[in-house]
Amino acid sequence: ILNVEQSPQSLHVQEGDSTNFTCSFPSSNFYALHWYRWETAKSPEALFVMTLNGDEKKKGRISATLNTKEGYSYLYIKGSQPEDSATYLCAFEVPGGDMRFGAGTRLTVKP
Amino acid sequence: EADIYQTPRYLVIGTGKKITLECSQTMGHDKMYWYQQDPGMELHLIHYSYGVNSTEKGDLSSESTVSRIRTEHFPLTLESARPSHTSQYLCASSEFDRGRDGYTFGSGTRLTVV
Repeated sequence: ILNVEQSPQSLHVQEGDSTNFTCSFPSSNFYALHWYRWETAKSPEALFVMTLNGDEKKKGRISATLNTKEGYSYLYIKGSQPEDSATYLCAFEVPGGDMRFGAGTRLTVKP
Repeated sequence: EADIYQTPRYLVIGTGKKITLECSQTMGHDKMYWYQQDPGMELHLIHYSYGVNSTEKGDLSSESTVSRIRTEHFPLTLESARPSHTSQYLCASSEFDRGRDGYTFGSGTRLTVV
């Protein structure tokens, strides 16, 4: 069984704060790690796909890093805004293309 | 504009009723998936399909069934709904190559069985 752990489970920050959360995954047989952003009443939206150890990806104020040897990825949000409020999901892709999801980190940004 | 459509968005139904949750995608993806999520829990794979006439059960045991008669359509059916089936159901599809965009998700169906 492949366990994907995300922490914290939820996070409340003030507008303008920077924040980060963690995704832990099995370090053996790594294939790819995906981050999704899921706003309430909407579809999960792909943020990043990361495949190489040391990968860093950035999209606006959101960035992610990957360490496949130790089995973790960090997602960073710089200067959080209320519109960043969402659940952030990570998923570990196994060979064959299927994915195992974590429970997500629910971020609330207060104005 | 969504490329994968789920209907209904919300459904409240009585115990014992038969229900079908619809999922359709317009991208020609071969792979389609159904996930179930309870509040605060991870997405659990309940069914998947790698193409027409191909269906498999996922990691989480489910009393639901699926069919894949057409590439674009992957409906999920519960023959007799029970309160334990109350959950959110997410459909996804992919044309999966390493390093590409991953899954495209529908907006989900939130099912309540009373």
